[in-house]
Amino acid sequence: KNQVEQSPQSLIILEGKNCTLQCNYTVSPFSNLRWYKQDTGRGPVSLTIMTFSENTKSNGRYTATLDADTKQSSLHITASQLSDSASYICVVSARRNTGKLIFGQGTTLQVKP
Amino acid sequence: DTAVSQTPKYLVTQMGNDKSIKCEQNLGHDTMYWYKQDSKKFLKIMFSYNNKELIINETVPNRFSPKSPDKAHLNLHINSLELGDSAVYFCASSQVADSPLHFGNGTRLTVT
Repeated sequence: KNQVEQSPQSLIILEGKNCTLQCNYTVSPFSNLRWYKQDTGRGPVSLTIMTFSENTKSNGRYTATLDADTKQSSLHITASQLSDSASYICVVSARRNTGKLIFGQGTTLQVKP
Repeated sequence: DTAVSQTPKYLVTQMGNDKSIKCEQNLGHDTMYWYKQDSKKFLKIMFSYNNKELIINETVPNRFSPKSPDKAHLNLHINSLELGDSAVYFCASSQVADSPLHFGNGTRLTVT
């Protein structure tokens, strides 16, 4: 069964600290893996998208890694800011060009001053 | 100049009623979607349209009917609303199926 699991479920860190969110997937065949940020009351916003051949991609203070062999991805946030408080959702595309995406349940990050 | 806009933002209605949610995108994308986010925050696809043609129709009750009058609009009509329909519904668009999704800010539907 195609699944995407994220850990931890929630995380609290102090402003300025770094953190890493994890995503494990059992989706096959694999097309691409995406990370989205969802602020409370808003729609998800794309952070990164990686294909099978890419193992790292950055977007400002966000760096995503992908290990397609172990089917794991991580999202590293550097020098966290209060505005990073949000849910971070890992999404895997199961097959090319079909639009069928498998969503994880998200990690809720709270950054405290 | 919102990219994907959906209305209304909040919708409170009684069981048995019929309601519609509208969605418009000004990104020039060919593909539009409806997603449902349940109380556990999981997002699940309901429908996908490519250039007004239905390409994904997940196991959604036929009380839900999408309508795409043109490729910039995808509306969702729901008949005979049930308590279990309460959720946040997101419209999204993408240039092609494998490109990033652009989401609207959601419509919170509450059925009482």
